[in-house]
Amino acid sequence: AQTVTQSQPEMSVQEAETVTLSCTYDTSESDYYLFWYKQPPSRQMILVIRQEAYKQQNATENRFSVNFQKAAKSFSLKISDSQLGDAAMYFCAYNGGATNKLIFGTGTLLAVQP
Amino acid sequence: EPEVTQTPSHQVTQMGQEVILRCVPISNHLYFYWYRQILGQKVEFLVSFYNNEISEKSEIFDDQFSVERPDGSNFTLKIRSTKLEDSAMYFCASSALRENEQFFGPGTRLTVL
Repeated sequence: AQTVTQSQPEMSVQEAETVTLSCTYDTSESDYYLFWYKQPPSRQMILVIRQEAYKQQNATENRFSVNFQKAAKSFSLKISDSQLGDAAMYFCAYNGGATNKLIFGTGTLLAVQP
Repeated sequence: EPEVTQTPSHQVTQMGQEVILRCVPISNHLYFYWYRQILGQKVEFLVSFYNNEISEKSEIFDDQFSVERPDGSNFTLKIRSTKLEDSAMYFCASSALRENEQFFGPGTRLTVL
């Protein structure tokens, strides 16, 4: 069965600095998709970034980028120039194989210090 | 920008009562989902729906749960006889294709007393 692990329950970063959130996953599939979702205090789930496993190039979205290491089954999120509005819970999620459900990690709560 | 909407935003009910949570997915999407998040825990998959039928469901989605797409726009989750442990945030999501990103609604907070 596929699993997603986020080993950092909480992280903190200074405003304007860079932070990296870790995610590892386990799957026997070769074709799958990985996502990072942001959940602010409003509890809305907001898609941050998506990575297709067949693509070697790491996805980027403005200040957000990923480091996708397929062999290591690692999918970390880097937030550059952190802003106060980045403070939220961040969930890593997997979608692949015959299933179309998202499998989420336990989340990392990111605090941004002014 | 199109978005997924959910109503109500907060529902309070007594144990044993039936509740219906409503969702309007993004209009050209074909796949619909329900997830739930118990406070402080991770988001868990409940059910996926495609072509007017359930395509996948989790162990959580027992006989007390049902989903329906009663018309061309709404997608509902019904809990027949609520239990205290059903208290959670319920998220509806939709995607255009199976492998595409899923867009989430704002959630319905269900409180069972």
